[in-house]
Amino acid sequence: EPEVTQTPSHQVTQMGQEVILRCVPISNHLYFYWYRQILGQKVEFLVSFYNNEISEKSEIFDDQFSVERPDGSNFTLKIRSTKLEDSAMYFCASSVAVTSSPLHFGNGTRLTVT
Amino acid sequence: QKEVEQDPGPLSVPEGAIVSLNCTYSNSAFQYFMWYRQYSRKGPELLMYTYSSGNKEDGRFTAQVDKSSKYISLFIRDSQPSDSATYLCATSGRNFVFGPGTRLSVLP
Repeated sequence: EPEVTQTPSHQVTQMGQEVILRCVPISNHLYFYWYRQILGQKVEFLVSFYNNEISEKSEIFDDQFSVERPDGSNFTLKIRSTKLEDSAMYFCASSVAVTSSPLHFGNGTRLTVT
Repeated sequence: QKEVEQDPGPLSVPEGAIVSLNCTYSNSAFQYFMWYRQYSRKGPELLMYTYSSGNKEDGRFTAQVDKSSKYISLFIRDSQPSDSATYLCATSGRNFVFGPGTRLSVLP
C-alpha cells in the first residue's frame, strides 16, 4: 500500500539553526499538509499546499516557516531559525482531494531543539 | 467552544471488551468524519472515513455519525492489547480539524 515517507525520523538541532524536514507524499495525491504535535498535545495544523502554492496556513506558521515542492516528489518544511518551542513531532500528510478525501500521514520527524 | 471535543481518557478495558470512543463537534458545516489510531511516536493511521450519518463497519471497528446531534463514535469489538493506542477523531469542512485524542489501554 502506498505511504507517505518522512526523513529524517529524528533531528536534533541547536536553537537558531535552520532545519529542513522532508516528505515524499503518495504519488497520485495532489494536496499536501504539515501538522505539528507537541509531546502529549493535540495534532495541530500548520499549512496546506496545492498546485505549488500555500492554500491555507495557521497562525503557528509564521515567517520562520516555509514550504516547498522542489521537484515532482518531495515536499519540504523549512524552519529558518529554530526556537526551543519548535521541539515537536512534525507530520506530513497528503490527500487526493481537499477535505473530501481523508488525510494519509507519514510517521513524522521528531525535532528536538536544544 | 472548541471545534472538536473528545474525552482524553485514559480509558482502560479488559481484553475482549467492547470499546466506545466518542467525539462532539461544533460546526454543522463539517461534512466528513475520520477516526485515526496513533501509536506512541508514530503518525496517525486512518481507521475509518465516512461522510454520512449512520454506521460504517470495517472488521472489528464501527464508526457512527449523528449529524443532528453533532456526535461521532467509534466502537471496537473484541478489543485486543494491540488496540492500545490514542484514537483521534477528525472532521473536515474547509479544513481538517482534529480532536485531542483518547488514550486507550486494553489489558490482557
